[in-house]
Amino acid sequence: DGGITQSPKYLFRKEGQNVTLSCEQNLNHDAMYWYRQDPGQGLRLIYYSQIVNDFQKGDIAEGYSVSREKKESFPLTVTSAQKNPTAFYLCASSTRGQVRRTEAFFGQGTRLTVV
Amino acid sequence: LAKTTQPISMDSYEGQEVNITCSHNNIATNDYITWYQQFPSQGPRFIIQGYKTKVTNEVASLFIPADRKSSTLSLPRVSLSDTAVYYCLVGADDMRFGAGTRLTVKP
Repeated sequence: DGGITQSPKYLFRKEGQNVTLSCEQNLNHDAMYWYRQDPGQGLRLIYYSQIVNDFQKGDIAEGYSVSREKKESFPLTVTSAQKNPTAFYLCASSTRGQVRRTEAFFGQGTRLTVV
Repeated sequence: LAKTTQPISMDSYEGQEVNITCSHNNIATNDYITWYQQFPSQGPRFIIQGYKTKVTNEVASLFIPADRKSSTLSLPRVSLSDTAVYYCLVGADDMRFGAGTRLTVKP
């Protein structure tokens, strides 16, 4: 089955540690995205990538880093510089085209808790 | 920055029709309008997409006026399971979501 997979579902991190969230898709989508969602809030864009080996900062990129070495994978690293990393993280992928008509597919999310 | 404006919240009762309007004054010529639904602790899922006039599928209708500066998602005969957050998205390059509309369906 095609889809987008995030792992792990729950993650605990000690303060001062970096942690990497995995996002893999087998939909052959060019574009991938990372979002952060806090309780009762909307999705905030962290980073996005529209093609392999290229990515752009979103609205809240500070304290996060990404890589896009393969089309299928877009891992997100939450660094120790992120002051309040406890949140729900969502990854998405979509097709690209000249007409801005996109249906995005989301993973099930990773809930990160700093302990 | 988000390019859309929606009501923060709406309440309804089971069996009623719900209409959620999204404003997008700066929509570009080649932008489509897409609506997503999100349940707690899940990723959003696609509901419906359109460019102009009216689009209907098995779960919703989307009405887009000629000037395309707004759109209305219509959910017929809502049930308790339609309680969710609904997001309107215009274009797609950077996939920036707004705050969405929190719909609460009451018995």
